[in-house]
Amino acid sequence: QLQLQESGPGLVKPSETLSLTCTVSGYSIGSGYYWGWVRQAPGMGLEWIGSVHHNGITYYNPSLKSRFNISMDTSKNQFSLKVTSVTAADTAVYYCARNRQWLDHWGQGTLVAVSS
Amino acid sequence: EIVLTQSPATLSLSPGERATLSCRASQSIGNYLAWYQQKPGQAPRLLIYDASDRAAGIPARFSGSGSGTDFTLTITSLEPEDFAVYYCQQRSNWPRCSFGQGTKLEIK
Repeated sequence: QLQLQESGPGLVKPSETLSLTCTVSGYSIGSGYYWGWVRQAPGMGLEWIGSVHHNGITYYNPSLKSRFNISMDTSKNQFSLKVTSVTAADTAVYYCARNRQWLDHWGQGTLVAVSS
Repeated sequence: EIVLTQSPATLSLSPGERATLSCRASQSIGNYLAWYQQKPGQAPRLLIYDASDRAAGIPARFSGSGSGTDFTLTITSLEPEDFAVYYCQQRSNWPRCSFGQGTKLEIK
């Protein structure tokens, strides 16, 4: 069955770039659907970051500044998130999910802390 | 930007009782609303989509209703495992989406 798994560093220094990867199994992401990222700051609600289509088109939360970039590597069946110039406000659990109109399959999430 | 407002922020009920959670959109979103359940330390789980359709494997005690700007998630006869945080989400300008701030359903 479809499974998603986030991976990346648990700790990033302020002003550096955060890079996360979501590895998908059970479905070829190049075959269709959007694939997205959602984050959740400690004790807070869910925030949609953006999604990438299997043809490479991306959409982002307009409320977020242009520090976020989502890309896809269909050869590895992975999609990725990069966040530049991170601050403590970027500390959160980051989830990847399939955006099939609704977010119907999620990874378990990975906690990323921004601290020196 | 469409804003979703959930109420109440916290709902305290006992097992066996009926829960009614509300989600209001700042403008009409048709039936493009979903509900998610999130338990501590877990990813959200899709419960309801298109305002009233249950996702696969979701028990019949969960139901959704509403259209336009006002939506409701109802849980009849609460089970111990239903105590969690619930989020509504809109997709009227999909693939963009946004979430409400959540309602915590706690045991009274």
